[in-house]
Amino acid sequence: QKEVEQNSGPLSVPEGAIASLNCTYSDRGSQSFFWYRQYSGKSPELIMSIYSNGDKEDGRFTAQLNKASQYVSLLIRDSQPSDSATYLCAVRYFGNEKLTFGTGTRLTIIP
Amino acid sequence: DAGVIQSPRHEVTEMGQEVTLRCKPISGHNSLFWYRQTMMRGLELLIYFNNNVPIDDSGMPEDRFSAKMPNASFSTLKIQPSEPRDSAVYFCASSLAVGTPDYGYTFGSGTRLTVV
Repeated sequence: QKEVEQNSGPLSVPEGAIASLNCTYSDRGSQSFFWYRQYSGKSPELIMSIYSNGDKEDGRFTAQLNKASQYVSLLIRDSQPSDSATYLCAVRYFGNEKLTFGTGTRLTIIP
Repeated sequence: DAGVIQSPRHEVTEMGQEVTLRCKPISGHNSLFWYRQTMMRGLELLIYFNNNVPIDDSGMPEDRFSAKMPNASFSTLKIQPSEPRDSAVYFCASSLAVGTPDYGYTFGSGTRLTVV
């Protein structure tokens, strides 16, 4: 069973602090990794993707991938109340178009 | 670009009725995905198409569900007969495989289905 696991939260972080979200996956055949943000009642929105080991930065967001340990994380610097949402981790396996999603971590930024 | 367009946004139907959900992918995208989202099970892939051909329908719950993609700009997901346990948000997404493997999907706004 190919699985993507996330802590469901809720994770509460003070405004201006760093929010750290983690995701583990079970299949070493995993090729690329994604973080989607989903506001309540809205559709998932892609915010970061990564396929090479190491860090990838985009504005306040940094995705970190460690294939040896089979985890991927998302750091949000200078957290804002508008970052309050559910964050979904997703994995694509080699030779496959589909994404397998985790159940999401609910993040709340406290003003 | 108008993005992925789904209709209807909300659907309330009685148990036993047929329900048809519609999706228009982003122009030029060659893969289309149907997902279902519930609180209990999260986002589950039902079926996906590549170049209008169904590739993986292993997530389709049972014979009551069917999906078609008659052309590159339109897809339907049909439930017949519908049951209360089909109540969920159904998302359509599309993508285009280009360049590096970290291309993602774009999701539509979803259809919230309630079967009473």
